[in-house]
Amino acid sequence: GENVEQHPSTLSVQEGDSAVIKCTYSDSASNYFPWYKQELGKRPQLIIDIRSNVGEKKDQRIAVTLNKTAKHFSLHITETQPEDSAVYFCASPYIQGAQKLVFGQGTRLTINP
Amino acid sequence: DTAVSQTPKYLVTQMGNDKSIKCEQNLGHDTMYWYKQDSKKFLKIMFSYNNKELIINETVPNRFSPKSPDKAHLNLHINSLELGDSAVYFCASSQNRGQGEQYFGPGTRLTVT
Repeated sequence: GENVEQHPSTLSVQEGDSAVIKCTYSDSASNYFPWYKQELGKRPQLIIDIRSNVGEKKDQRIAVTLNKTAKHFSLHITETQPEDSAVYFCASPYIQGAQKLVFGQGTRLTINP
Repeated sequence: DTAVSQTPKYLVTQMGNDKSIKCEQNLGHDTMYWYKQDSKKFLKIMFSYNNKELIINETVPNRFSPKSPDKAHLNLHINSLELGDSAVYFCASSQNRGQGEQYFGPGTRLTVT
């Protein structure tokens, strides 16, 4: 199938705390897992991605972990700041036929000062 | 230098009208996409073109017709607009189908009254 399930749909954390968003994919052939951030009224932009040959990738305060056996991957944001407030989307390619990126349903993250 | 641009940014029109949205990318990418983002923020692919050839056509009403005059441009024409067409439409481009970063345009907010 081509489903990507993302949880939670909304997440509210105190500034300075950590936030974790999880996604599950169904296409076992998927090998690329990006995360996009969409600020209010703006376009989605890639913030981090991981390929299936590694289990974790970090970029300053954000990290992505991948469990290929369980077919899930997660976004971790540490030391959250107000500018982290946005909608976050995970995605995974559906390899059957013409490849396309299937997006999760999105998580609205709110950082409370 | 804008990587992916779309016009217009806002479009307000009445039911039954026909409208077009234009998209251009100056990244030299081979693949371009149209996405629809509804009020719940779901990002759903509509069409994808690779080197001017249609490769993805999701279950979109045939009132929607994409056109790619060259690989840097992908336009979307919508006939007989309906209330349910109200959404934000994003154009995007990438070098690798489904496997690399997708660069999104600023979006076109379409409101059908």
